[in-house]
Formats: sequence, structure tokens, C-alpha cells
Amino acid sequence: DTEVTQTPKHLVMGMTNKKSLKCEQHMGHRAMYWYKQKAKKPPELMFVYSYEKLSINESVPSRFSPECPNSSLLNLHLHALQPEDSALYLCASSQGEGAPYGYTFGSGTRLTVV
Amino acid sequence: QKEVEQDPGPLSVPEGAIVSLNCTYSNSAFQYFMWYRQYSRKGPELLMYTYSSGNKEDGRFTAQVDKSSKYISLFIRDSQPSDSATYLCAMLRGANSKLTFGKGITLSVRP
Repeated sequence: DTEVTQTPKHLVMGMTNKKSLKCEQHMGHRAMYWYKQKAKKPPELMFVYSYEKLSINESVPSRFSPECPNSSLLNLHLHALQPEDSALYLCASSQGEGAPYGYTFGSGTRLTVV
Repeated sequence: QKEVEQDPGPLSVPEGAIVSLNCTYSNSAFQYFMWYRQYSRKGPELLMYTYSSGNKEDGRFTAQVDKSSKYISLFIRDSQPSDSATYLCAMLRGANSKLTFGKGITLSVRP
């Protein structure tokens, strides 16, 4: 299995809703990442988990809350989002933090905040 | 100056053309160089990964790195309409570093 699986593929949520994005990989990768991508822009790093511990938080607002329940799963909990948070949210994994080989992205969750 | 600069697009070529995509970088600490392809509304797909100066070939794709000039390229031979996508160069300094992307270039291959 060489995939990073993200669910849901699409999500529409109101500004008062609470929702979660899920990411799963079974490649034995020990680093997992959340990225945000706006249209016609490259992905921007949000969070890095290394060996299930939060390693990097790129000054992301607290309305985004990551969680790594185990080495295969990564969640992103969303609460009180703003319309400007609408974007493609990408999960990625790699063998180790900053390891280039096999740095794999999922297909993303397209989030719309209304 | 941005750490990674990528040739602006968009780029449109006829089917069968050789495509050259280029990035330059300013930080000599970058050690690993990747090219990602991203189709519309999909996640980036790793195409090529290199870590030394020289060429690396995979089918119709060749990645070239020139560390002395801080310049990387991706060549696509016999381009196909299915190659139409956004191509992103990306670089890593090493372990525990962040992936730094170029802005991306949108390629369109006309049948």
C-alpha cells in the first residue's frame, strides 16, 4: 500500500460547525503532515507529527486542532472556521521528518466554509 | 529573494514536444530535490526525487540537478495531453526540515 487516504473528499461546513478531517497511511511512515493549499498556490505547511508527537506548528490558528491517535492516523479537527479557511487540505507522510524518499500526499479534502 | 523560484507559466505545447521546466534556488543547504505533478483538484503526486548533481531518468521524465548553479530542471519527452497538469518543484535541506515548494507552473499539452 503506497497511498495516503483522506476522508472526506469534500466538506461544506458552517462557521459554527465542528468537523474533522481524517488521514490514514499504512506505509510505516513515521512523519505525517497537514498542508493547506489555496487555488493556484503551492501547498503551505500547517503541522508536522514525528513519531506521533507534534513537531512543528506553523503558527496555525487554534480553530485548527491536529491529533495523531497512532502512527497510521492523523486527524484535523475544525471549529469556528472562517470563509477564508476554504481551501484544499492535504495530508502527507514520509519515512521520517524531512525524509525525501516517499514523501507522499493524499488527494486532499476540499473544504468550503459558508 | 525567495528561496525557490520557478519559471512562471502557463506553458502550452503541442503533443510530442519536449518540455523543460525549471527552478532555481538560493539556499545551498538544500540537499534533496523533488518534482511533483498535480492534476486539477487532486493532491500532488511525487514524480522524481534526486539528491546529487546530474541526471536521473524515469521513462519520459528526466530530472536534472546542477548544485553549482543552484538550478534544477524536469524534462518531459514526447509530451502527451495526459501530462497537462501543474508541476511543482520542491526541496529539502535534510532531516527535520520543511519541504519548500516553488510556485508551480501549469502545463497544457495540446492534441
